[in-house]
Amino acid sequence: AQTVTQSQPEMSVQEAETVTLSCTYDTSESDYYLFWYKQPPSRQMILVIRQEAYKQQNATENRFSVNFQKAAKSFSLKISDSQLGDAAMYFCAYSGYGGSQGNLIFGKGTKLSVKP
Amino acid sequence: DGGITQSPKYLFRKEGQNVTLSCEQNLNHDAMYWYRQDPGQGLRLIYYSQIVNDFQKGDIAEGYSVSREKKESFPLTVTSAQKNPTAFYLCASSKGGSIRYEQFFGPGTRLTVL
Repeated sequence: AQTVTQSQPEMSVQEAETVTLSCTYDTSESDYYLFWYKQPPSRQMILVIRQEAYKQQNATENRFSVNFQKAAKSFSLKISDSQLGDAAMYFCAYSGYGGSQGNLIFGKGTKLSVKP
Repeated sequence: DGGITQSPKYLFRKEGQNVTLSCEQNLNHDAMYWYRQDPGQGLRLIYYSQIVNDFQKGDIAEGYSVSREKKESFPLTVTSAQKNPTAFYLCASSKGGSIRYEQFFGPGTRLTVL
């Protein structure tokens, strides 16, 4: 079974600085997707970025970028120029073709605080 | 505006009662999902449906039931058999069941058992 691990329960960053959130996963599949979701205090889940395993190029969305290391099964999220609105829970998630296809497997999350 | 609505936002239940959480989407999505979120935990899949009149159990289906009679609706019933139902429940939908389709989430329902 696939698993997703986020080893940092909480992180803190100064406004305008850069922070990296870690995520590792375990799978025997070769094709899959990885996601980072943001859950602000409103608890609405918002997709931040996603990466297809077959694409070697790391995904980027404005201030958000990932470092995808397929062999190491690592998928970290870098937030540049952190803003107060980035404060939230961040969840790493996996979706593969095996088992319940299309379903997301989530890590336990990292709570990010942004200091002014 | 297209999106997913969940109601109610807060729900209180007495022990031994069944309650139904509503999830509606107007995105014309085929697939719909129910997740449960507990404090300090990620989301866990309860049930999912890839097409009308069909649904499958997720990882924690015991004590829950669903129906999918209409494309836009996927209600979740929390039965008295669910031992610890107090949690935050999130509904999601996607264009299809393939992993390439993004899941969009509703605002959630907070269920508390008194």
